[in-house]
Amino acid sequence: DAGVIQSPRHEVTEMGQEVTLRCKPISGHDYLFWYRQTMMRGLELLIYFNNNVPIDDSGMPEDRFSAKMPNASFSTLKIQPSEPRDSAVYFCASSRTGASGYTFGSGTRLTVV
Amino acid sequence: AQRVTQPEKLLSVFKGAPVELKCNYSYSGSPELFWYVQYSRQRLQLLLRHISRESIKGFTADLNKGETSFHLKKPFAQEEDSAMYYCALSYTGRRALTFGSGTRLQVQP
Repeated sequence: DAGVIQSPRHEVTEMGQEVTLRCKPISGHDYLFWYRQTMMRGLELLIYFNNNVPIDDSGMPEDRFSAKMPNASFSTLKIQPSEPRDSAVYFCASSRTGASGYTFGSGTRLTVV
Repeated sequence: AQRVTQPEKLLSVFKGAPVELKCNYSYSGSPELFWYVQYSRQRLQLLLRHISRESIKGFTADLNKGETSFHLKKPFAQEEDSAMYYCALSYTGRRALTFGSGTRLQVQP
């Protein structure tokens, strides 16, 4: 298995532009998580899904952020419009029921200028 | 609400010295505790989970419910241990992990 796959690895965009981050979880995993990592705030949970259904989106900063999981093998995190304060590393992780701990992807480093 | 506290942002030790990375948590029920490690610009990797009571790369961690702590220890630090270490908590009914703010371990030669 290739693990959790995120794309792109790096994204540089201008303020106001739409940004879409992508994640492919490990096959057979029924949980998917999106985290944001910054120097100031560390790792923050944004949203997580179980069987493609959002369970907790209380960590999503504001209406500019949205996440979808149209099927078991794909999820997107969209920011529209993007702002400089959104600059961070965004991690996706997946796990399966009955197993403890997650497998993380390599992250997407987002820079909004 | 659950909370994980890692009081040290940076811990610097010399090679061969003992290491203890502190983690305290607040949760009224029975939590599941983890340590994750992130080497420079790499993905987070699971290092330890308290339920398995294992030793990985020489690291151990014991859950102390009385002190609500899950400190990570290694008797002799190696330079390759230099990384960011995160303590995390979950519990039955909530699959998502709550992470501490992390401690950067620097092992000097």
